[in-house]
Amino acid sequence: EAQVTQNPRYLITVTGKKLTVTCSQNMNHEYMSWYRQDPGLGLRQIYYSMNVEVTDKGDVPEGYKVSRKEKRNFPLILESPSPNQTSLYFCASSLGGGSTDTQYFGPGTRLTVL
Amino acid sequence: AQSVTQLGSHVSVSEGALVLLRCNYSSSVPPYLFWYVQYPNQGLQLLLKYTSAATLVKGINGFEAEFKKSETSFHLTKPSAHMSDAAEYFCAAYMDSNYQLIWGAGTKLIIKP
Repeated sequence: EAQVTQNPRYLITVTGKKLTVTCSQNMNHEYMSWYRQDPGLGLRQIYYSMNVEVTDKGDVPEGYKVSRKEKRNFPLILESPSPNQTSLYFCASSLGGGSTDTQYFGPGTRLTVL
Repeated sequence: AQSVTQLGSHVSVSEGALVLLRCNYSSSVPPYLFWYVQYPNQGLQLLLKYTSAATLVKGINGFEAEFKKSETSFHLTKPSAHMSDAAEYFCAAYMDSNYQLIWGAGTKLIIKP
């Protein structure tokens, strides 16, 4: 089954404790992206990647890191999480970065930083 | 700045009534436009998209949207609401070549029995 998977689905952590949220897709997509979703703000893009070893900042990259060493994986790293990073995070992928490409979303990771 | 505006953070309709969710974009050049739906505790999935072919676009689950350049709008409609349509709906636009979709804030659709 074609899908985007994220782990963990739920995470409660404390300020400053490094964490990684994994994202994997099995559709051989080139483009992958991370979003955060906050009430009333819709989705805001954190980082995106056009292909292996190619990443770029989105609208809200501060406090986050990403890497793209393999085509299928695009982990999101919070080196020193803070409470304002409490949010719902989505990973998405699409065939390319083209303007008409459909994005396929993972189920989301709900992160709480205390 | 380019933006996508969804009018109404919550819309409530009765089962069987017309659904109308509004989306406007700000761009002098017609963008590519998308509607995504998010069911409770799930990720987003594509409902439909406009890619400069037909201005009336049909999507899944009986939804459709009409692109109106003169009004810079892409409103989503469904003739008859069903309880299963209760979800949050997001409009998004691809307005330039920076490989980013611009998202609206979302509209939560509530269906009254």
